[in-house]
Amino acid sequence: DGGITQSPKYLFRKEGQNVTLSCEQNLNHDAMYWYRQDPGQGLRLIYYSQIVNDFQKGDIAEGYSVSREKKESFPLTVTSAQKNPTAFYLCASKDRGPGTDTQYFGPGTRLTVL
Amino acid sequence: AQSVTQLGSHVSVSEGALVLLRCNYSSSVPPYLFWYVQYPNQGLQLLLKYTSAATLVKGINDFEAEFKKSETSFHLTKPSAHMSDAAEYFCAVSDPRGGGNKLTFGTGTQLKVEL
Repeated sequence: DGGITQSPKYLFRKEGQNVTLSCEQNLNHDAMYWYRQDPGQGLRLIYYSQIVNDFQKGDIAEGYSVSREKKESFPLTVTSAQKNPTAFYLCASKDRGPGTDTQYFGPGTRLTVL
Repeated sequence: AQSVTQLGSHVSVSEGALVLLRCNYSSSVPPYLFWYVQYPNQGLQLLLKYTSAATLVKGINDFEAEFKKSETSFHLTKPSAHMSDAAEYFCAVSDPRGGGNKLTFGTGTQLKVEL
């Protein structure tokens, strides 16, 4: 089955620790995205990547880092510089080219920093 | 810049009643518009989208939405609510020139369906 997987579903970390969230897709999509969701605020774009070895900052990139070494993988690192890391993190992917306008989402990772 | 306003953070309907979730957008160019649904602790699932073809768009599970340029609206409707429709619904807008990379979301509407 084609889709997007995010692991783990729940993640707990101590304050001051870096943590990496996994996102893998087997849809052969070129573009991948990371969003953060907080209650009552909708989704906000953290980073996105349109091709391998290239990525751009979204609206709230501070305190986060990403890499895109493989087409199918787009891990997100939440660093200790992120002031309020506790949130629900969603990964998405999209094909490129004419008519490819829809982002498809993974199941999410809920990060709790203690 | 683009923005989306979803009126009503919580909407409650009776089972079998009409569902109406409101979405107004702001965009300097003709936009693409989307409705997604999210069940608790899950990702977002696309319900329907408008990409400059027919203004009345039909989606999954009998949902539909109508693009009204004069009102800058894209309200979501369903003729008869079912208990399984209880979820959070997000309206989103994107600029077609950006290749769909910048999706701007509304703050969501939580739909409750009562017996």
